[in-house]
Amino acid sequence: DQQVKQNSPSLSVQEGRISILNCDYTNSMFDYFLWYKKYPAEGPTFLISISSIKDKNEDGRFTVFLNKSAKHLSLHIVPSQPGDSAVYFCAASGTYKYIFGTGTRLKVLA
Amino acid sequence: DAGVTQSPTHLIKTRGQHVTLRCSPISGHKSVSWYQQVLGQGPQFIFQYYEKEERGRGNFPDRFSARQFPNYSSELNVNALLLGDSALYLCASSLAVLGEQFFGPGTRLTVL
Repeated sequence: DQQVKQNSPSLSVQEGRISILNCDYTNSMFDYFLWYKKYPAEGPTFLISISSIKDKNEDGRFTVFLNKSAKHLSLHIVPSQPGDSAVYFCAASGTYKYIFGTGTRLKVLA
Repeated sequence: DAGVTQSPTHLIKTRGQHVTLRCSPISGHKSVSWYQQVLGQGPQFIFQYYEKEERGRGNFPDRFSARQFPNYSSELNVNALLLGDSALYLCASSLAVLGEQFFGPGTRLTVL
């Protein structure tokens, strides 16, 4: 039972454009969400998080939106850069552990 | 500042053997979590330790065990290795039980 889903395995975006990565969850008890970026041969790197008491959080080029009623969150990257090419994981937590999605591979084309 | 470190980086074992993986958290972090990542999947939670006590366990068999030491470093042990245990094993540290987790580079385990 996949409680956190990233339905798009891959996404290609032109440099300078917006990248939108989506994540859906099923457990209404989740109250903290994170996005991680992963390059090959490295561990995931924390990008941005959001608590369920908020619906938006920004950090530079990265913005996370949370729609609790739809159990959906998204990560916006504006403007996208070639160095953003990586696998992006969303993760959700309600207790002591994080449940990760399967990841979306983003390719930013120069 | 040193990030999360893991050793070894790569490991090859045969079925039935056991393995010990090691993790040193970021200085000041008291929580360590272990994850297993197989190709094409996200990290799957195995254990979390906080202040040397197990705080959570994922859906893994008893062949998997872990412990945390007084200096907050941690070991993950896997007994009676199976081919399906081949994966990237990730360690993450955090200040507390919840909050941002910082990952190490992982240990790539191959079971032949």
